[in-house]
Amino acid sequence: DAGITQSPRHKVTETGTPVTLRCHQTENHRYMYWYRQDPGHGLRLIHYSYGVKDTDKGEVSDGYSVSRSKTEDFLLTLESATSSQTSVYFCAISSGNDSPLHFGNGTRLTVT
Amino acid sequence: AQRVTQPEKLLSVFKGAPVELKCNYSYSGSPELFWYVQYSRQRLQLLLRHISRESIKGFTADLNKGETSFHLKKPFAQEEDSAMYYCALRGGYSTLTFGKGTMLLVSP
Repeated sequence: DAGITQSPRHKVTETGTPVTLRCHQTENHRYMYWYRQDPGHGLRLIHYSYGVKDTDKGEVSDGYSVSRSKTEDFLLTLESATSSQTSVYFCAISSGNDSPLHFGNGTRLTVT
Repeated sequence: AQRVTQPEKLLSVFKGAPVELKCNYSYSGSPELFWYVQYSRQRLQLLLRHISRESIKGFTADLNKGETSFHLKKPFAQEEDSAMYYCALRGGYSTLTFGKGTMLLVSP
């Protein structure tokens, strides 16, 4: 494994509640990413970070926000969870340049 | 805009048969392509990248810029190859755009 820990691994929450998912890395990589995986859609980029406090939106960023206050942690927040955000969320890291992305084990989120 | 197309949702073959998982891309610059594999409910793992030209677990993939393709091939499928396979294209800030994936099912 590439030193990536996602927490929690599973979460069930109710519609309208805020939820925060955490991605922690021990590789000191510059780039971090949040993807969601849904049947029929593959993986889609939500947000990414290219350094501490440097973040940008991906393809499906509506309803999500992120923060990166230190190199090792990248937080994904669902401000007010909806059933359409039920998904498996994957964090990934990269040192950039020619390096591939390495993925965490995922967080399965169910919004009821 | 960049795009990755994997036309097959499911590919079912018998053990020992050849396998080809198709991937086509659309990208205006010089593409960098990857194949990732996901075994049942596990994390995605890098299988191949076109710049390394390696053969991993018997799989190979060649970038064909004329046909804008990066098909994944294996001459003899094994049951343990059953998994979801994703083709991906690198973009800015090392982001990846993924295809929708192809489930490979290898039957005994």
